[in-house]
Amino acid sequence: QKEVEQNSGPLSVPEGAIASLNCTYSDRGSQSFFWYRQYSGKSPELIMSIYSNGDKEDGRFTAQLNKASQYVSLLIRDSQPSDSATYLCAVRGAQKLVFGQGTRLTINP
Amino acid sequence: GAGVSQSPSNKVTEKGKDVELRCDPISGHTALYWYRQSLGQGLEFLIYFQGNSAPDKSGLPSDRFSAERTGGSVSTLTIQRTQQEDSAVYLCASTRGAASYEQYFGPGTRLTVT
Repeated sequence: QKEVEQNSGPLSVPEGAIASLNCTYSDRGSQSFFWYRQYSGKSPELIMSIYSNGDKEDGRFTAQLNKASQYVSLLIRDSQPSDSATYLCAVRGAQKLVFGQGTRLTINP
Repeated sequence: GAGVSQSPSNKVTEKGKDVELRCDPISGHTALYWYRQSLGQGLEFLIYFQGNSAPDKSGLPSDRFSAERTGGSVSTLTIQRTQQEDSAVYLCASTRGAASYEQYFGPGTRLTVT
């Protein structure tokens, strides 16, 4: 089992809809979780961090964490074509972040 | 302030040559990470620095790869006797400290070995 798993996609969502991206992790002791957005040909950009169970909202983005289920998700409301990118889930390991393979998201106008 | 910078942005080299890739972290960030990303793939961890020391070198693929960091700032990743499979984008990230895991990435160096 991979340490951090994401559906590679592609995930296709119509403009204006809610995009839901999911991530599971294997280390039950993990405490810190991050979502990065990576546009094609660019480097990853940190968009959300979450440390406690529940929801954390920032603009159109909501991160959700459920430590009991070892599950973290990212919701993007009112999806825009500019949200089309690969979204990487990252989980804190012993001394470094462990990244998932990423989910490619396409927002269709 | 300025973000993480990397140089060169692109490097084309012949198989067997040595290359040096440079990373300049955000000012005041004490932890620095190197990753490799092959086309269409995820991030592959290479090495991590806290200050000038490297507590975790577990991701270096072979002894052809080495890295150093001086003055707690700039880091250099060196690849000796490059091979075609070394072609990838090499990314550097920094964090405020070992306790902070919000990593900020540089723009990367695209290495092509011909």
